[in-house]
Amino acid sequence: QKEVEQDPGPLSVPEGAIVSLNCTYSNSAFQYFMWYRQYSRKGPELLMYTYSSGNKEDGRFTAQVDKSSKYISLFIRDSQPSDSATYLCAMRRGNTGFQKLVFGTGTRLLVSP
Amino acid sequence: EAGVAQSPRYKIIEKRQSVAFWCNPISGHATLYWYQQILGQGPKLLIQFQNNGVVDDSQLPKDRFSAERLKGVDSTLKIQPAKLEDSAVYLCASRQNRDLKSYTFGSGTRLTVV
Repeated sequence: QKEVEQDPGPLSVPEGAIVSLNCTYSNSAFQYFMWYRQYSRKGPELLMYTYSSGNKEDGRFTAQVDKSSKYISLFIRDSQPSDSATYLCAMRRGNTGFQKLVFGTGTRLLVSP
Repeated sequence: EAGVAQSPRYKIIEKRQSVAFWCNPISGHATLYWYQQILGQGPKLLIQFQNNGVVDDSQLPKDRFSAERLKGVDSTLKIQPAKLEDSAVYLCASRQNRDLKSYTFGSGTRLTVV
């Protein structure tokens, strides 16, 4: 079993839709949870990160963490064609320099005009 | 602020040949990472440097992969000899200590082994 599971998609939605992206994990030691966006032929870029459980909002993006269920989500409101990319969840145990970042496989999102 | 620079962008080699990738991190970032991203998968950490010392190389196939970070700045990753399954994008990332928001990836080197 992989430490982090993520549906690879693709997920196709019309412009303006609300998008829900999810990851599950098995290691209860994870404390920091991140979402990265990766455009084709580019490196991942950090969208949001959360520490422990709870919600965090940034513009059209909301990240949720439910540690009791080992489940994290990223919601995108009013999705735009420019949101079309691969979304990777990532997590780590702590914030010292020696903690490894573990990635999901990524979900490919396609937003059609 | 300049980003993480990587070169070359693309490389095609035959199996059993050798190849090297170069990374220049963001100025002042003490931590440097090399990741391997196979098509359809998330990045997998190969090696992590703190300044010029290795912190974690547990997933580096040491029989064929090597990496160095001389003087704690630029880094090179080498594969010798390459196998077909090494075809992937090799991403370099750097980070300031304890600042998760500073964790920045380069655009990667796409390696195709034929």
